[in-house]
Amino acid sequence: DAGVIQSPRHEVTEMGQEVTLRCKPISGHDYLFWYRQTMMRGLELLIYFNNNVPIDDSGMPEDRFSAKMPNASFSTLKIQPSEPRDSAVYFCASSPTGGSYNSPLHFGNGTRLTVT
Amino acid sequence: GENVEQHPSTLSVQEGDSAVIKCTYSDSASNYFPWYKQELGKRPQLIIDIRSNVGEKKDQRIAVTLNKTAKHFSLHITETQPEDSAVYFCAAGGWDSGYALNFGKGTSLLVTP
Repeated sequence: DAGVIQSPRHEVTEMGQEVTLRCKPISGHDYLFWYRQTMMRGLELLIYFNNNVPIDDSGMPEDRFSAKMPNASFSTLKIQPSEPRDSAVYFCASSPTGGSYNSPLHFGNGTRLTVT
Repeated sequence: GENVEQHPSTLSVQEGDSAVIKCTYSDSASNYFPWYKQELGKRPQLIIDIRSNVGEKKDQRIAVTLNKTAKHFSLHITETQPEDSAVYFCAAGGWDSGYALNFGKGTSLLVTP
């Protein structure tokens, strides 16, 4: 299995521009999570999906952030308009069906976003 | 919601010594406590996990202990090696949140030869 695949690996954009981050979870995993990592705040949960349905988006910082999961193999995190304080590493993670002992999170390699 | 506190934020030990990282959590409903290791520029990777019906779990040089009454859990690394140098994160979650984990702020461990 190729693991969780994220693209792009690096994104540099100017303030005000729209940014779209992409994620392909591990096949068969029912849960998909978006995290943001910064030095100051650590790993913050933004939103997670179960069977393509958003379950908890309370971590999404502002209305500028939105996430979708149109099918079981693809999710996007969009920031519009982007701001310098959005600069961070964004991780996508997936896990098998919740409730199972062996269902840790599997992280992608992350997208390093820089907003100038 | 769940709040996970992790200490210390940095830890430096000599090769061969032991390292201990401690975490506390706030939500008594949490029942899953994994530890992740993140090397510089890489993704977090699971190294060990424990559930609330178990008090201790060991895997070679790594062990985790859990005190559910006090709501704290710890990571113990024995006979540390330079390749153990990384940032370690504790986390807490539960089945009812699909294991949406809340992470501690991380501990930067440096093992010096």
